[in-house]
Amino acid sequence: GNSVTQMEGPVTLSEEAFLTINCTYTATGYPSLFWYVQYPGEGLQLLLKATKADDKGSNKGFEATYRKETTSFHLEKGSVQVSDSAVYFCALSAGFQKLVFGTGTRLLVSP
Amino acid sequence: GAVVSQHPSWVICKSGTSVKIECRSLDFQATTMFWYRQFPKQSLMLMATSNEGSKATYEQGVEKDKFLINHASLTLSTLTVTSAHPEDSSFYICSAREPKLRGGPTYNEQFFGPGTRLTVL
Repeated sequence: GNSVTQMEGPVTLSEEAFLTINCTYTATGYPSLFWYVQYPGEGLQLLLKATKADDKGSNKGFEATYRKETTSFHLEKGSVQVSDSAVYFCALSAGFQKLVFGTGTRLLVSP
Repeated sequence: GAVVSQHPSWVICKSGTSVKIECRSLDFQATTMFWYRQFPKQSLMLMATSNEGSKATYEQGVEKDKFLINHASLTLSTLTVTSAHPEDSSFYICSAREPKLRGGPTYNEQFFGPGTRLTVL
């Protein structure tokens, strides 16, 4: 079946550090890939998405590239801020089916 | 972007009572809504898929008589936790999806509500 694997957290960084959160997936067909962010006490917000191989999703300085050959969709940001502290979820959707989420990675950014 | 609201944002109830949570799509019609449950520091667990005008489809292990879902209109779905117990305390999140249009995108973008925190005493 479809599944998503994320690196375990928490990821602890200092402000302005480079961020990478790894995400790999297993899926039949050609899924769409997503990164969602959840701030404390809030629901999920879509951060970025990619719908086909080699697509790069980007938003608010975050980027992720759909790599079919490595079945990966790693999240990166060149310089994190304290306000980026949140839980980040990688997810996939195959066709028009339900979303499958990874377990989430907590990011803690200190000043 | 599309907006989904939930009400209430938090609720505290006594064991044995029932609690209803509403999920509304504010600026689009949602033929499909999803209900998730999230335990502290864990991922979202899909509980059920709700299609307007038909019975909800529950995920394996989710008691349909315990978690009643109604999707009576294209903008409203409700989740009722019946005879709630402390183990039902959790963060409940809904999401909504627009209908797939002919020739439209094939990906499944869901718009999430802000969540409802349920505490059962």
